[in-house]
Amino acid sequence: QVQLVESGGGVVQPGRSLRLSCAASGFTFSTYGMHWVRQAPGKGLEWVALISYDGSNKYYADSVKGRFTISRDNSKNTLYLQMNSLRAEDTALYYCAKASLDPQYMDVWGKGTTVTVSS
Amino acid sequence: SYELTQPSSVSVSPGQTARITCSGDVLAKKSARWFQQKPGQAPVLVIYKDSERPSGIPERFSGSSSGTTVTLTISGAQVEDDADYYCYSAADNNLGVFGGGTKLTVL
Repeated sequence: QVQLVESGGGVVQPGRSLRLSCAASGFTFSTYGMHWVRQAPGKGLEWVALISYDGSNKYYADSVKGRFTISRDNSKNTLYLQMNSLRAEDTALYYCAKASLDPQYMDVWGKGTTVTVSS
Repeated sequence: SYELTQPSSVSVSPGQTARITCSGDVLAKKSARWFQQKPGQAPVLVIYKDSERPSGIPERFSGSSSGTTVTLTISGAQVEDDADYYCYSAADNNLGVFGGGTKLTVL
């Protein structure tokens, strides 16, 4: 079955960088788009970014555009989120999610990795 | 920018029908998904393409759409349906958006 395992979260100071990873298994990774979604403590879900199946198209929420970069390595079945210039408001649980046949939507989610931005 | 609006909370007794709405201009052109999230767990897809139910989701979950509003209906809500529910859609520019979430209380 589809499995998504996020890693790379931690505590980081404001202005610093962090890279999240999402290891995928149980499906043909290279044929599906992938999403990142985050959830601040006690808050709702926020869509962060989408990457197409081959990495050629990338889309970002306004709140992270210019600071975050989504990428993928289809040879390693791994999705990434490079987060630069981190802010306190980026503190959240970050989920990766597999896109459905329509890549704008997601179906299966990982369990998430926690990012805390604090001095 | 675009938004999806949900009620913050809905409360029903076990066995009653729960209805959660989600409104937004984007829904006039794009379909919606509904996700269920229980405390400490990742979201789970319960409805896709406005009204389709994934395999493994109980038949009491259904969805409908009318104009700029989609509705998640849980017929005969069970205690285990007590959770947060989020609608989701995507705009023509491929940017995604979630509703603010609805806390469903079943007791």
